[in-house]
Amino acid sequence: DAKTTQPPSMDCAEGRAANLPCNHSTISGNEYVYWYRQIHSQGPQYIIHGLKNNETNEMASLIITEDRKSSTLILPHATLRDTAVYYCIVRVGGDSWGKLQFGAGTQVVVTP
Amino acid sequence: KAGVTQTPRYLIKTRGQQVTLSCSPISGHRSVSWYQQTPGQGLQFLFEYFSETQRNKGNFPGRFSGRQFSNSRSEMNVSTLELGDSALYLCASRPGLNTGELFFGEGSRLTVL
Repeated sequence: DAKTTQPPSMDCAEGRAANLPCNHSTISGNEYVYWYRQIHSQGPQYIIHGLKNNETNEMASLIITEDRKSSTLILPHATLRDTAVYYCIVRVGGDSWGKLQFGAGTQVVVTP
Repeated sequence: KAGVTQTPRYLIKTRGQQVTLSCSPISGHRSVSWYQQTPGQGLQFLFEYFSETQRNKGNFPGRFSGRQFSNSRSEMNVSTLELGDSALYLCASRPGLNTGELFFGEGSRLTVL
């Protein structure tokens, strides 16, 4: 699986958009980009995933560059409840999806 | 729909003992994965079960084992506990094998004294 690089921490003002970058320069053509987050003392929560195209759901948007070497998770209107560690994971499809390799992630703190 | 349920939520054991943790996946989900989370190592994959068969295994010693029952419920066991086994043990389920969207439980926090 490709390795990912994320900033260790970032702050965001409540109500503003939070843009979380992730570098995955060694990503292969068949590797998906997944984002999870973990709020303190809870299990990780799936946010969104994509392969090539940008994706949007009720939680966030995922922007993947054309060369697929980096991506950005966008939380459009951050709230205090979005304070969490955000993990960017790249993974090949197939029957090994249950084995996710989590890095250190980005600690996002949303401030009033 | 009920989420992934893990029991017990907290437990304290002493070195040398063994422990069994339980996980009930979301109804209809047939795959269960287990992860260990520690401050030093972060989230690490232990193993995954599907249809009562272990499909993937992480890099943990043989003291860590698991199983899955016909109703998809899963248990993991750690024998001869060491201080370093103190961690949050997380269980995740998914409906089938070809999806990367895992649903995690709240975890079982094990403290080894």
